[in-house]
Amino acid sequence: AQSVSQHNHHVILSEAASLELGCNYSYGGTVNLFWYVQYPGQHLQLLLKYFSGDPLVKGIKGFEAEFIKSKFSFNLRKPSVQWSDTAEYFCAVKGKAAGNKLTFGGGTRVLVKP
Amino acid sequence: GAVVSQHPSWVICKSGTSVKIECRSLDFQATTMFWYRQFPKQSLMLMATSNEGSKATYEQGVEKDKFLINHASLTLSTLTVTSAHPEDSSFYICSGELVTGELFFGEGSRLTVL
Repeated sequence: AQSVSQHNHHVILSEAASLELGCNYSYGGTVNLFWYVQYPGQHLQLLLKYFSGDPLVKGIKGFEAEFIKSKFSFNLRKPSVQWSDTAEYFCAVKGKAAGNKLTFGGGTRVLVKP
Repeated sequence: GAVVSQHPSWVICKSGTSVKIECRSLDFQATTMFWYRQFPKQSLMLMATSNEGSKATYEQGVEKDKFLINHASLTLSTLTVTSAHPEDSSFYICSGELVTGELFFGEGSRLTVL
């Protein structure tokens, strides 16, 4: 079965620090990869997605992610975080062989200290 | 981006009653909608895939007689929690799928069963 693993459950960092959140998936074959963000009290929003092409994907709010096929990874990065980046971040994977269902990782709660 | 709206956003009900949650795609037609459940501090778990005009496909372990899903039109899917009990209290989230494969999520509906 397809699974998605996010390595860190909680991350605490200061403003201007760099952020990297790990995401690995178990499934082979063609996949679509997503990072979603959930700000406190709000619904899920798409940060960025990878379907094909350049494995380095740029998203909104200065986020980017790199798809490394050989490592089954899709790590999220931001060079310099702001207090407003405090949120929960979810990696999600969709694969044709798994019925195109979107499977979420466990989420990483990020707290940025002002 | 596309907009998905859920109603109600918050509902409290007595044990044994049924609750209906609506999910609407406001500016696109969603042939497929997905229903997720999110427990506190946990990730989203797919409950079922709702296809317009046909029966929903439920994930393993999800009781289809308890969680009734209807997708009568391309812009509306409903989830009815029948004979709700306190253990059904949760955050229910729907998403609509674009033809590109991208998903947009509703704001979520928080159900509290007393």
